[in-house]
Amino acid sequence: DGGITQSPKYLFRKEGQNVTLSCEQNLNHDAMYWYRQDPGQGLRLIYYSQIVNDFQKGDIAEGYSVSREKKESFPLTVTSAQKNPTAFYLCASTPTSGAAYGYTFGSGTRLTVV
Amino acid sequence: GQQLNQSPQSMFIQEGEDVSMNCTSSSIFNTWLWYKQDPGEGPVLLIALYKAGELTSNGRLTAQFGITRKDSFLNISASIPSDVGIYFCAGPTYGGSQGNLIFGKGTKLSVKP
Repeated sequence: DGGITQSPKYLFRKEGQNVTLSCEQNLNHDAMYWYRQDPGQGLRLIYYSQIVNDFQKGDIAEGYSVSREKKESFPLTVTSAQKNPTAFYLCASTPTSGAAYGYTFGSGTRLTVV
Repeated sequence: GQQLNQSPQSMFIQEGEDVSMNCTSSSIFNTWLWYKQDPGEGPVLLIALYKAGELTSNGRLTAQFGITRKDSFLNISASIPSDVGIYFCAGPTYGGSQGNLIFGKGTKLSVKP
């Protein structure tokens, strides 16, 4: 079955460490997105990519980095520069027909700083 | 920038009751989407609306695209415990069919058996 796989489901990070969250899709979607979710804050866009080897900053990109070397993969690195990284991270994708048909989401990664 | 305002923020209801929630914006949208997020999971698309005045159902869920194109409504009839979760409205930025989605902050639904 086609879908989006995020791993790991739970991730613990020490202060000052970089960590990378994985997102893989087999839906043949061109566009991929990373969102951060905090309680009561809804979904905030971190980065997005509409085509391989290209990506744009979203509303809260500071302290994060991404790459898009393959159509299927869009990993997110949470760097030590991110002051408050504890959150639920969601990856999503959509075909080139546009956002109007909705995003497909992964099941999320919960990152906790210890 | 564009914003989607959802209300209420949270609801505590008894099993069997009907639920109503809404989403408003100061900008016009040509598409309204409603998602449900189960605890600890990613959101799943429930209903998509593409025409002003449109009324669309998905089982016990019914959503409407407001006539002004600045609002949308979601109703759940005869709620059951598995309706628990966060319901988000979403629409493409700048009201067009292209562009990224923006999301409301969600309505958190709790159902007492």
